[in-house]
Amino acid sequence: NAGVTQTPKFQVLKTGQSMTLQCAQDMNHNSMYWYRQDPGMGLRLIYYSASEGTTDKGEVPNGYNVSRLNKREFSLRLESAAPSQTSVYFCASGGGIGNTIYFGEGSWLTVV
Amino acid sequence: GQSLEQPSEVTAVEGAIVQINCTYQTSGFYGLSWYQQHDGGAPTFLSYNALDGLEETGRFSSFLSRSDSYGYLLLQELQMKDSASYFCAVRWGGNNFNKFYFGSGTKLNVKP
Repeated sequence: NAGVTQTPKFQVLKTGQSMTLQCAQDMNHNSMYWYRQDPGMGLRLIYYSASEGTTDKGEVPNGYNVSRLNKREFSLRLESAAPSQTSVYFCASGGGIGNTIYFGEGSWLTVV
Repeated sequence: GQSLEQPSEVTAVEGAIVQINCTYQTSGFYGLSWYQQHDGGAPTFLSYNALDGLEETGRFSSFLSRSDSYGYLLLQELQMKDSASYFCAVRWGGNNFNKFYFGSGTKLNVKP
């Protein structure tokens, strides 16, 4: 069971570079999420998608864009990376009425 | 807006019982979840409360009081493997009933 798969697992970027984090889920969930987690901190919601074709801002959306390509995939793009975006990024998915969200293994991003 | 408060760190001995509290302030509250995260790992679901009262799942129980905007996670018969961070998360109601906002986490140290 793959669950939620995100790539890449590790990435080092230079300030100003762009990159896209990819995420896919095979659980047929409607909802998908991108969170970031800084050292010793909780998870902060960046963007949320309730269903294919819809996206909504979370707590910390500035500097990010998302795309819900289809029901399975939800990508996160950094257009011009900044050192403040150094973090661990988690993609997650959850069912429509269900109360559980499932996380991917995380992507460690360093911006130098 | 959403605001969750939980203690930053708790220490307990193996075999003991520990309670991790969570208070929240949020409009459109729909439910309270608990997640466990080991160092370097992804958060995993433990428990969810939508109604007042106690939910029991093995050694773990979770409690919710909607009138007090308060919940807790109770861990019994502590084991060394329970050393991890524990996060409460608010499920936001209304049109975005599948948005989840996380607290900053409680680091549980279990000592022999």
